[in-house]
Amino acid sequence: GESVGLHLPTLSVQEGDNSIINCAYSNSASDYFIWYKQESGKGPQFIIDIRSNMDKRQGQRVTVLLNKTVKHLSLQIAATQPGDSAVYFCAERLNTGNQFYFGTGTSLTVIP
Amino acid sequence: NAGVTQTPKFQVLKTGQSMTLQCAQDMNHNSMYWYRQDPGMGLRLIYYSASEGTTDKGEVPNGYNVSRLNKREFSLRLESAAPSQTSVYFCASSTILQGGKGYTFGSGTRLTVV
Repeated sequence: GESVGLHLPTLSVQEGDNSIINCAYSNSASDYFIWYKQESGKGPQFIIDIRSNMDKRQGQRVTVLLNKTVKHLSLQIAATQPGDSAVYFCAERLNTGNQFYFGTGTSLTVIP
Repeated sequence: NAGVTQTPKFQVLKTGQSMTLQCAQDMNHNSMYWYRQDPGMGLRLIYYSASEGTTDKGEVPNGYNVSRLNKREFSLRLESAAPSQTSVYFCASSTILQGGKGYTFGSGTRLTVV
């Protein structure tokens, strides 16, 4: 299957600092990417998405950057809050398929 | 505003036992999915249903069967549970096949096979 990996399995940041979570994907045919947040004991929740014809997309306190040249995706969280503590997954979708491939996740801990 | 509801939340089975995981969504979504989540691995698709009356295999279908009972409900059955099926199972639904923003997940079923 496709591999979607993360550079760091864990990340700790001080409250108020910015967080950057990275993701590498392997297939240049992927055309759509999503970041999900998963809190303990809950299912993943959609945060932000980006299509392959874009290189940046901003939401509320979050920004996703896509670098197709090196097949790299990142999620930036501004002014990180304790409620941001969770596992963050990236997911990619091939332009030829019917399913998403998920990364293993990065555990973000916000230190008050 | 229940979204996607999964039952049960926890289950312990003995090897060889069977069980059905239930999933229901109230968002009038066409597509539904079953994933499993294992430590150190990403979510892996077991089966999906693009629309009522259709089901297809995902990445890891062996040992499972599914039924799309109606538009709301999509069940996952383990006929003869094995320890390798110990996992957290998530049901999801979306407005269109391939999901995207419309991908809504349930809260999961934690299954242990002993």
